[in-house]
Amino acid sequence: EVHLVESGGGLVQPGGSLRLSCAASGFTFSNYAMTWVRQAPGKGLEWVAALSGSGNTTFYADSVKGRFTISRDNSKNTLFLQMSSLRAEDTAMYYCAKDLANVVVTGFDYWGPGTVVTVSS
Amino acid sequence: SYLLTQPSSVSVAPGMTATITCGGNNIGSKSVHWYQQKPGQAPVLVIYFDTDRPSGIPERFSGSNSGNTATLTVSRVEAGDEADYFCQLWDSSSFHVVFGGGTKLTVL
Repeated sequence: EVHLVESGGGLVQPGGSLRLSCAASGFTFSNYAMTWVRQAPGKGLEWVAALSGSGNTTFYADSVKGRFTISRDNSKNTLFLQMSSLRAEDTAMYYCAKDLANVVVTGFDYWGPGTVVTVSS
Repeated sequence: SYLLTQPSSVSVAPGMTATITCGGNNIGSKSVHWYQQKPGQAPVLVIYFDTDRPSGIPERFSGSNSGNTATLTVSRVEAGDEADYFCQLWDSSSFHVVFGGGTKLTVL
């Protein structure tokens, strides 16, 4: 059974940094692209970043490019999101999700329960 | 950047059919995926690649995609179908994932 569990969320001051992790199990992690999606309170889904199964190809939303870095450790079945220069508008629930495919980004068939990031002074 | 447009809300009586649209420029040439999200829960994939249904999703959920509109259809609607529904695609021109704004399905 596929399992995704995010961790690392919390309260951080504007301008600060945070590193999210997503532990994966139940599938061959390196065979699938992975993505981060966030949802601000009461709002819709917003894609953040994605990367290929090998980790060699990354994609970022314009709103986070240059501030966030997505990466993965296939030996530990873990996905990461390093967030820096955080802003109030980055406050959201952050979900990691497994892609249907390996290299290209398609749709997301499994999601974690999410971890909350709050940016506030 | 590519834009996906969904109605903010759709209401339907139990047992009837709900139709949720997702509009985009020539969206029929792209692959569309649909998610159901209930309050306090993570999204769940209900339709992928326009028409395919993941295991465990009832046959009452179906999808289509043509021209400038993709459609999620929920037949014989039940109270448990009440949720937010989001369409999503990969825009290969901008290398971005795009989500629609979401549609709240209310079962009357």
